[in-house]
Amino acid sequence: QKEVEQNSGPLSVPEGAIASLNCTYSDRGSQSFFWYRQYSGKSPELIMFIYSNGDKEDGRFTAQLNKASQYVSLLIRDSQPSDSATYLCAGRVGGNNRLAFGKGNQVVVIP
Amino acid sequence: GAVVSQHPSRVICKSGTSVKIECRSLDFQATTMFWYRQFPKQSLMLMATSNEGSKATYEQGVEKDKFLINHASLTLSTLTVTSAHPEDSSFYICSASGQGGNYEQYFGPGTRLTVT
Repeated sequence: QKEVEQNSGPLSVPEGAIASLNCTYSDRGSQSFFWYRQYSGKSPELIMFIYSNGDKEDGRFTAQLNKASQYVSLLIRDSQPSDSATYLCAGRVGGNNRLAFGKGNQVVVIP
Repeated sequence: GAVVSQHPSRVICKSGTSVKIECRSLDFQATTMFWYRQFPKQSLMLMATSNEGSKATYEQGVEKDKFLINHASLTLSTLTVTSAHPEDSSFYICSASGQGGNYEQYFGPGTRLTVT
């Protein structure tokens, strides 16, 4: 079982709608989770991190963490064409500061 | 804050030569730096983790004698690809950690290596 999994295929959403992304993790002891955005041909950019159960909001982005169910989600409200990118979920694993990354989910916002 | 630079952004070299890539944290001290490789349409693959002043820890399957990593200061790490071959052509990305207390990593812009 992979440490962090993102299983959904490409996600197409109309402009202005909500994009919802999910990821699950296997290590119940994982403490911190991160969402990165990666545009094609570019390096990942940190959007948010979350370490407490519940929701964390930052502008149009909301991260949700449910430690009991071991999943993390990202909501993008009022999706814009500029949000079209691959979104990577990552979790801090083990006792060191290495991050385990999911394979990413591509989001396409249709004008 | 939390800016990481990489140099060069793009390099083309001939097979058998060595290439050095620099990664710098510009506005914070990076206690740990990471090197990743990413092939087209694939996910990030961690190659190694390095702490300042210590030997790098390589992931399984990554040849430490081929990918030399030096982390001489809290703001600079280098990756040297020795005796490069066409199969080493890839997007190499570094990241640095140390800015925040949650171990978030900040990525450099990446180096696209093409070996001919």
